[in-house]
Amino acid sequence: AQSVTQLGSHVSVSEGALVLLRCNYSSSVPPYLFWYVQYPNQGLQLLLKYTTGATLVKGINGFEAEFKKSETSFHLTKPSAHMSDAAEYFCAVSEWFSGGYNKLIFGAGTRLAVHP
Amino acid sequence: EAQVTQNPRYLITVTGKKLTVTCSQNMNHEYMSWYRQDPGLGLRQIYYSMNVEVTDKGDVPEGYKVSRKEKRNFPLILESPSPNQTSLYFCASSSGQVGGYTFGSGTRLTVV
Repeated sequence: AQSVTQLGSHVSVSEGALVLLRCNYSSSVPPYLFWYVQYPNQGLQLLLKYTTGATLVKGINGFEAEFKKSETSFHLTKPSAHMSDAAEYFCAVSEWFSGGYNKLIFGAGTRLAVHP
Repeated sequence: EAQVTQNPRYLITVTGKKLTVTCSQNMNHEYMSWYRQDPGLGLRQIYYSMNVEVTDKGDVPEGYKVSRKEKRNFPLILESPSPNQTSLYFCASSSGQVGGYTFGSGTRLTVV
């Protein structure tokens, strides 16, 4: 069964600094990988996804992630943090079932704080 | 606007008092799921549905029921809530296309 590990439950950066949120996955088949963001008192919003093709994936709000099969990683980065990036971030992997149904398996989440 | 609507957003109830959290989607999606979110555990799937009248257990189904009588609706039922069901609940729907999950805004449930 697939699983996701997010290293660091809390990450704090200065405004303008690099954001790096780590995600490692376990999957017996080529994975489909996702990053979601949850702003306070809101639902989950898809930031970006990797399915096939180019391993560097660009998402919304200046975020990007690189799929590295050899490292089983899908780390999320942003060159320059903004105060508005403060949120909780979830990495997820798709698990497929017969009938075409796919289930998202989430990591525990990383709360990003951005300070002036 | 394409969306998943959950109600209520906040709910405080007492142990043992049956409650229902409603979920409705307007995208004609076949697949719907319920997740609960707890600190340090991320989101865990409670139940899912692949179509009308087709439902199955997720990873943490104990104490919950669901039904799917119409394609757009997927209510979550707690027959006898207990304090360990205090959590943040999300409903999600998908067309089956990879990454096509749309989440509701969440329901924060407190059972005292």
